[in-house]
Amino acid sequence: GAVVSQHPSRVICKSGTSVKIECRSLDFQATTMFWYRQFPKKSLMLMATSNEGSKATYEQGVEKDKFLINHASLTLSTLTVTSAHPEDSSFYICSAREPLEQFTDTQYFGPGTRLTVL
Amino acid sequence: KNQVEQSPQSLIILEGKNCTLQCNYTVSPFSNLRWYKQDTGRGPVSLTIMTFSENTKSNGRYTATLDADTKQSSLHITASQLSDSASYICVVSMIKAAGNKLTFGGGTRVLVKP
Repeated sequence: GAVVSQHPSRVICKSGTSVKIECRSLDFQATTMFWYRQFPKKSLMLMATSNEGSKATYEQGVEKDKFLINHASLTLSTLTVTSAHPEDSSFYICSAREPLEQFTDTQYFGPGTRLTVL
Repeated sequence: KNQVEQSPQSLIILEGKNCTLQCNYTVSPFSNLRWYKQDTGRGPVSLTIMTFSENTKSNGRYTATLDADTKQSSLHITASQLSDSASYICVVSMIKAAGNKLTFGGGTRVLVKP
């Protein structure tokens, strides 16, 4: 089955620093990847959609200068949380979709990254 | 407004017992409905997917039903095991010209006790 990995699984950083999270599709090419944020005991909230080779599309209310997304290859997308603050602490999950599954919207989710900003 | 509502928010069941989770949606136009299992601190894993014409779909001890007329779905867990303790998320896919869009329910947190 399709496997999506994320790195790191956990990260703790100081307020004001930037943190990069990687999302990789291990056994398929993903023209589209998605970044979600999840608060405790809440469901996933879509932050942005990234397409390989083009700019990401951000959901309403998500600051694009705060959450930088790069989808430079068909197997890798990165999310950089810039100048992180304690309120950015959350569980970040990525997902990846194969080109032919655009209209079934089958997304394969990564294991998530727990970000804690001190 | 396109929404997905799940109930109950949480439930506790004894190991070996059955339980049923509910999902009501208003998403339109409808493409498909998925149930995901999310273990604590992990990403969601797909259990079942149903399109408009499918009424039921099973995956081991998990059985999902769909009534597209009433826009309701359920997930039945049979003979629960401790490893079933997780959040179960109902996700409805909406048809859009640029590619489908997912709407997530709030999830039901299930705790199976010995």
